[in-house]
Amino acid sequence: AQKVTQAQTEISVVEKEDVTLDCVYETRDTTYYLFWYKQPPSGELVFLIRRNSFDEQNEISGRYSWNFQKSTSSFNFTITASQVVDSAVYFCALSEEYDTGRRALTFGSGTRLQVQP
Amino acid sequence: DAGVTQSPTHLIKTRGQHVTLRCSPISGHKSVSWYQQVLGQGPQFIFQYYEKEERGRGNFPDRFSARQFPNYSSELNVNALLLGDSALYLCASSSSSGSGSYEQYFGPGTRLTVT
Repeated sequence: AQKVTQAQTEISVVEKEDVTLDCVYETRDTTYYLFWYKQPPSGELVFLIRRNSFDEQNEISGRYSWNFQKSTSSFNFTITASQVVDSAVYFCALSEEYDTGRRALTFGSGTRLQVQP
Repeated sequence: DAGVTQSPTHLIKTRGQHVTLRCSPISGHKSVSWYQQVLGQGPQFIFQYYEKEERGRGNFPDRFSARQFPNYSSELNVNALLLGDSALYLCASSSSSGSGSYEQYFGPGTRLTVT
């Protein structure tokens, strides 16, 4: 069975600090997809990034960057120069591919990030 | 373009009652999935529908059922409500048409409180 672990329950930083959110996953499949979502206080999950299991290139998007390492089954997310607007709960998720077309995301328990001004 | 919409926003029900939650996917998306998010936890997969057919079901009791309509909107039904059914119910849509990668876009959710 697939599993996603986000060991950091809550992180508090001061604005402009860099912060890394950890994600470790378990899967027996060779083809899978990893995601990060942001959930602000409003509750809606906002898609941030998708990464395929066969693409280990790191990605940078503005202040966000992601480090995918298959050898350690990790997909960590770094926010550079954090801002108060980054305060939210962040979820890492995993999806495996099935012949039936079934698509289901397995989420971690989330990391609550608080950025203090 | 409109995103995923869900109704109602909030709902309060009594134990034993049933509830129907509604979701309209992003225009052009044919797949709808439902998730339950209990306070303080990550969302858990309930159902996925694609082209009006059930493609997957999570570990939820038979009290939970769903369907998808010809316009790809969807309903989630929960019978014999329990206190533990209190949660945020999220609907997600995607354009998945089979194998390959995809993104799921989530709606704002329906907050269900069972008293």
